[in-house]
Amino acid sequence: GQNIDQPTEMTATEGAIVQINCTYQTSGFNGLFWYQQHAGEAPTFLSYNVLDGLEEKGRFSSFLSRSKGYSYLLLKELQMKDSASYLCAVNPGTNDYKLSFGAGTTVTVRA
Amino acid sequence: DAGVTQSPTHLIKTRGQQVTLRCSPKSGHDTVSWYQQALGQGPQFIFQYYEEEERQRGNFPDRFSGHQFPNYSSELNVNALLLGDSALYLCASSLSTERLFFGEGSRLTVL
Repeated sequence: GQNIDQPTEMTATEGAIVQINCTYQTSGFNGLFWYQQHAGEAPTFLSYNVLDGLEEKGRFSSFLSRSKGYSYLLLKELQMKDSASYLCAVNPGTNDYKLSFGAGTTVTVRA
Repeated sequence: DAGVTQSPTHLIKTRGQQVTLRCSPKSGHDTVSWYQQALGQGPQFIFQYYEEEERQRGNFPDRFSGHQFPNYSSELNVNALLLGDSALYLCASSLSTERLFFGEGSRLTVL
């Protein structure tokens, strides 16, 4: 089976930095995705990591350690519009086309 | 360029009824996946269609069935609705196994 864990909720102040951790235990691994989902809306793609290391994309960065089964999403210079749920998802591998999602982390940005 | 479109956006059914949800993929995409997202949870994989065939199925009963048409659009059918089927149903399209683009979802309420 697939087990993907991430914190349920996080709160931070506008302009601050927040790090959302994701740990996974899956039958295989062919990449890890982060999606952002605002309330009542569709998930939108943020990042994809398949190799170890840090991928930076503007205010958002994502890190992967395959040996530790661990990833994090780093949100810098937080803005009110960043208040959303952040979903960690794993692609288990070759000939397995589904994504296995964590339950999501709700981030609340306060003024 | 239209993204993934789903219909209807909201619907209410009673237990035992049947429902059909529709999805048009993003232009150029040939693969459609369906996910069920309960409140406060991450999306759960139902099945994926490619070349008009069900390529992979998640842990959902046979009451859940689908179809993909030659134009790559897709339908999700759920028979004998249960209260527990109340959820947001997300359609996602992709080009083969690349990252998913999600529609806004169809919110189903079963009374």
